[in-house]
Amino acid sequence: DAKTTQPTSMDCAEGRAANLPCNHSTISGNEYVYWYRQIHSQGPQYIIHGLKNNETNEMASLIITEDRKSSTLILPHATLRDTAVYYCIVSHNTDKLIFGTGTRLQVFP
Amino acid sequence: GAVVSQHPSWVICKSGTSVKIECRSLDFQATTMFWYRQFPKQSLMLMATSNEGSKATYEQGVEKDKFLINHASLTLSTLTVTSAHPEDSSFYICSALPPSGGSNTDTQYFGPGTRLTVL
Repeated sequence: DAKTTQPTSMDCAEGRAANLPCNHSTISGNEYVYWYRQIHSQGPQYIIHGLKNNETNEMASLIITEDRKSSTLILPHATLRDTAVYYCIVSHNTDKLIFGTGTRLQVFP
Repeated sequence: GAVVSQHPSWVICKSGTSVKIECRSLDFQATTMFWYRQFPKQSLMLMATSNEGSKATYEQGVEKDKFLINHASLTLSTLTVTSAHPEDSSFYICSALPPSGGSNTDTQYFGPGTRLTVL
């Protein structure tokens, strides 16, 4: 499965949009982009996933570039409860998710 | 929907004893469950894939005789850490994969984790 690169940490003001980037330049045609987050001392929480089209759900939006080599997770109105480590994972299927180091998002008042 | 529970949420045991952790899918049947381990300030590491009715598949470097996995039903998988030692202290997390064809088929759903401390 393709490897991903994410910034180690990011800050975001409460109420503002949080845009979390992910590079996956070696992604293959049938690999999905998954996003999970992990709040301290809890299990990961599924956020969203996509193949090539942009996706939106009640939690976030996922923007995938046309060449699929990078993507951005958007939390439209970040709250303090969105403070977590966000993982971008690329995988052929959901059977095997390999977690990288993720991005530690800190939302501040 | 798609809720996964773990029990216990934390456990402290003496070195040399065995500890069993349960993972349950509460509102769906899961033919496949996964076990992860997470050390402080590190990411999740997949330990093994648990398939109902068959032997688990372990990742490279994970001792199958030390980490016993049983997936006896479609809603329950157990991880037993045998002869636990302080270096086994970690956060153990399971996940479950809903069956194909449903509305939540495209992702794993994770339990809340079990914190194991071996003294």
